[in-house]
This record gives sequence, C-alpha cells and structure tokens, in this order.
Amino acid sequence: KQEVTQIPAALSVPEGENLVLNCSFTDSAIYNLQWFRQDPGKGLTSLLLIQSSQREQTSGRLNASLDKSSGRSTLYIAASQPGDSATYLCAPWGQAGTALIFGKGTTLSVSS
Amino acid sequence: DAGVIQSPRHEVTEMGQEVTLRCKPISGHDYLFWYRQTMMRGLELLIYFNNNVPIDDSGMPEDRFSAKMPNASFSTLKIQPSEPRDSAVYFCASRDGTNTEAFFGQGTRLTVV
Repeated sequence: KQEVTQIPAALSVPEGENLVLNCSFTDSAIYNLQWFRQDPGKGLTSLLLIQSSQREQTSGRLNASLDKSSGRSTLYIAASQPGDSATYLCAPWGQAGTALIFGKGTTLSVSS
Repeated sequence: DAGVIQSPRHEVTEMGQEVTLRCKPISGHDYLFWYRQTMMRGLELLIYFNNNVPIDDSGMPEDRFSAKMPNASFSTLKIQPSEPRDSAVYFCASRDGTNTEAFFGQGTRLTVV
C-alpha cells in the first residue's frame, strides 16, 4: 500500500526566501505525481503534474522534480510571497488508471 | 467549463439521518474520485470510477457508505445512517484519462450532530 510522507509538516519563512518542500513515497512504481495547494477552507488547486516520462516540471516560480527510483519528489518555490501561504500536497498515483494517494501536506506561512 | 461541481457546500444533519452528497465532474472526464478529509487522517480515497464503473471501493469505511455513478455527468455519495464520526469535508475530483491532471471540487463540509 502506497504511503506518502511530506516533510516538513509546517514551515514559516520571511518573504523572498527560496524554499524546498519534500515528498517521499514508499512504492516507487508510480505512474505520475501531482502537486496541489490548498487554502484554508477551500478545495485543492492543481499546481504541477509530472508525467511518467518526465523528471521535472516548471510553472512560473514553481519547479517540481521527481526521482522515482528513490521515491522522492521536491517542490521548489522561488522568491516566496505572502500569497504562497497555503498547504501544499503531493499525490503520486500508481499504474495508469489508478487513484491519487495523498500525503498530509506541508503548511507554509510566508510573512511580509 | 465550470470545473467539478459539488453540492451542497455545507450540510448539517442529525445522527441517524441519511445524507446524500452530489458531484458533477468536468465534461469529458472519464475518471471520478471521492475523497474524505479530516485533520487527523488527511485526504483519504473512498472510491473511484472509470467510465461510470466503480474500480476500487476499498476505502469506503463501512456499509453505511455507498456511491453511485448513473451516468458520466453525475455521481452521489450516500451515508445511511450518518454518525458524528462521519463529520469531515468530502471532495470529488475528476480526470481525463491516465496522463492528465486531476481537478477537485470545492468540497462538501458535513457535520453530523
């Protein structure tokens, strides 16, 4: 059974810092991996999808990498802003056609 | 497209009552997922469908929970009878095929008193 761990559970940084959020998963035989953000009391917003043939994906100030063999993904946020404050969740899914499995997320707070 | 639409957004019900949560996936998406989110357990997969057929319901906690997808544009999650421990936020998500992003609805916050 796939288990997903996200470290750290919470992170507080001043505005402008670059930061890395970590995600590890026990079953390396994953197909794709998706990163989401969740604002308090809201739904999940998709940030990035790393497909099975990719090792990295970028969107604006966000960069996500995937190393299947080691069971790890990282989300890099450049020049953090207060608007980045949210919970970030990673979700790998197994063979094609299976469901996303979630970690408990990293709650980020960026102060101005 | 308006995205994944869930209703109601909030539901407060008394223990023992039947509760029905509804989801309209994004048009053309052939996968539909139901998740439950609590502070203690995070996001848990309850059940998912492919082309309206349930594929994995191993996450459904008890027989009190049931889900249906009568057509490609509608799914329900029913709890009967409801219990206070069912209080959580229930999310529906949909996806087109196996190699694209999944999109989530805004969730239904269920409170059972």
